[in-house]
Parts: sequence; C-alpha cells; structure tokens
Amino acid sequence: SAVISQKPSRDICQRGTSLTIQCQVDSQVTMMFWYRQQPGQSLTLIATANQGSEATYESGFVIDKFPISRPNLTFSTLTVSNMSPEDSSIYLCSVEEWQGIYGYTFGSGTRLTVV
Amino acid sequence: RKEVEQDPGPFNVPEGATVAFNCTYSNSASQSFFWYRQDCRKEPKLLMSVYSSGNEDGRFTAQLNRASQYISLLIRDSKLSDSATYLCVVNPSHLPNKLVFGAGTILRVKS
Repeated sequence: SAVISQKPSRDICQRGTSLTIQCQVDSQVTMMFWYRQQPGQSLTLIATANQGSEATYESGFVIDKFPISRPNLTFSTLTVSNMSPEDSSIYLCSVEEWQGIYGYTFGSGTRLTVV
Repeated sequence: RKEVEQDPGPFNVPEGATVAFNCTYSNSASQSFFWYRQDCRKEPKLLMSVYSSGNEDGRFTAQLNRASQYISLLIRDSKLSDSATYLCVVNPSHLPNKLVFGAGTILRVKS
C-alpha cells in the first residue's frame, strides 16, 4: 500500500498563529483527503484535495480557516490558520487506493495542541 | 441520528473469547463498508472491507445486512494484540469519495 509521510508529527502552537502540515505520498494519487480527529472522537473529513483545482470543503470547514494546497500528485499541505484552543486535534491526511476494493490509507497524523 | 452509530464499549474480554461489534448506518444508498482498527495514538488502518455476502479473514468475520442497514465484526480467539478501537466506516455514495466514521468501539483483551 501507499506510504504516506506526514509532518510535523506534533506541535504546540500559540493561539492566533498558523501551522502548515505537509503530506507526501510515495506514489501518484488523484485525490488526497484531510481529516480531523478531536480528542476522544472519531474522524471528520475536512476537505478533499485534487491536483490542479481548489479543494472541496465539507460542511463546517472553510478555506480561510483551512487553506489547502495540492501542487502535484504526490504532495499536499493543510494550514490551520489563526488557531484557537478548539483547533487542538489530530490532523490526518489520507489517500484512496486499490486494495482489492478501494480503501483508504492514512498518514501517521499531526498532533496539534494550541495554547 | 448519526450517520454511523457504534456501541462505544469498552468491551473487556479474556484472551480466547469471541467478541462481536455492531454498527448501523442511516444512508440506505451507502455503497462501501469497512472496518478500521486504530491503536492508541496511531492512525486508523484498514482491517477489512465488508461485502454483501459476508467475508472472513482468519479470525475476523464481517457481515453486512443491507435491509437492516447493519454491519457486524466478529473476532474469534481474541489475542492481547487485538486490543484497539474498531471503527465502522461507510462510504455513503460512490461519488464523491467520502468516508463517514463511527465513533469507534474500544476492545480490551486481558490475560
């Protein structure tokens, strides 16, 4: 399956600042996905990132808060802007790949704490 | 009603026990179904896909009941290493590709 490198693995940030998370895949993929996992909860899709077009955001997530770049088929970034403590969460990137059926592989996640 | 609902547990079972998790989904048009496993402080990893006819992979058996909108995961002969959170995941439609995650069921296998 695809190998996804995500960094940073963790960070502690001051409120009001921004953090950019990087996701690198070892193969070309059409779609990349960004998820958030808040403490004690399951994963929620933030947006879908396609190369060459604007990301598609899910309800409750906006581009100004979570700008996404997708410059090529192996790389994407998610920025968490103007952070507040409520943004403390794990952020994960994911790709879809064929595993006998289309399945989804996740990066190891970025554990963000906003103080 | 949540799109995907699971019993949060925790399920505390002894080694060797058989344990079953259930999951219900609300969107009858859902196309694909999965069970993921998430270890503490780790990313989710695909355990198995769930097919209409049911499928088995070693000690793990997954069943889908479309009429009742119900998915199950059965683990036989539980091992200590099976301790994790099991996530029921549904793709509500085949376009666009989107996964909806259940909140997860915690399994603790004890010696």
